[in-house]
Amino acid sequence: KDQVFQPSTVASSEGAVVEIFCNLSVSNAYNFFWYLYFPGCAPRLLVKGSKPSQQGRYNMTYERFSSSLLILQVREADAAVYYCAVCPPSAAGNKLTFGGGTRVLVKP
Amino acid sequence: NAGVTQTPKFQVLKTGQSMTLQCAQDMNHNSMYWYRQDPGMGLRLIYYSASEGTTDKGEVPNGYNVSRLNKREFSLRLESAAPSQTSVYFCASSEDPGTTDTQYFGPGTRLTVL
Repeated sequence: KDQVFQPSTVASSEGAVVEIFCNLSVSNAYNFFWYLYFPGCAPRLLVKGSKPSQQGRYNMTYERFSSSLLILQVREADAAVYYCAVCPPSAAGNKLTFGGGTRVLVKP
Repeated sequence: NAGVTQTPKFQVLKTGQSMTLQCAQDMNHNSMYWYRQDPGMGLRLIYYSASEGTTDKGEVPNGYNVSRLNKREFSLRLESAAPSQTSVYFCASSEDPGTTDTQYFGPGTRLTVL
């Protein structure tokens, strides 16, 4: 079974760059998806792909078996849970496998 | 567009009771999904429907049934609830079951089974 690993918590100070790592347990190229989750709200896609990409303050790095999400100039309002998810390119259907989520803490 | 809507938002059940979680999307998407979210385990796929008229099991289907009522609606049923089913349940949809398609999520249903 494919597994997705990410740290449970990352702490940072306001204005810094936060980096969240995501590693896979399998030896295959995947599409990565990064979701933002505030409790009580719908998870929202931040960035996705199989190559490095950027959406506003969110950068996604890409290696064959890992990805990182970088949050630039982090703010207190960015304190939330970030999920890494993957979908193998040959999957029958868009079946995402999620990591356990990373809680980002931001100190003022 | 409302996107993906789920009802109810909260529910408390006693062990052995049954209930149906409702999900609807207004984006004309073909594929729909049900996940459960548990601390430290992320979101795990329960069932999905790649297109109207089809459903398939995901990673954790035991204790659940689904119905793809039409293109818009995808319901999840717990026939005999157990405390292990206490969780937050998310419904999602995507335009197609392609491997790069974005899944759009609803706000979730928080279920507690006593």
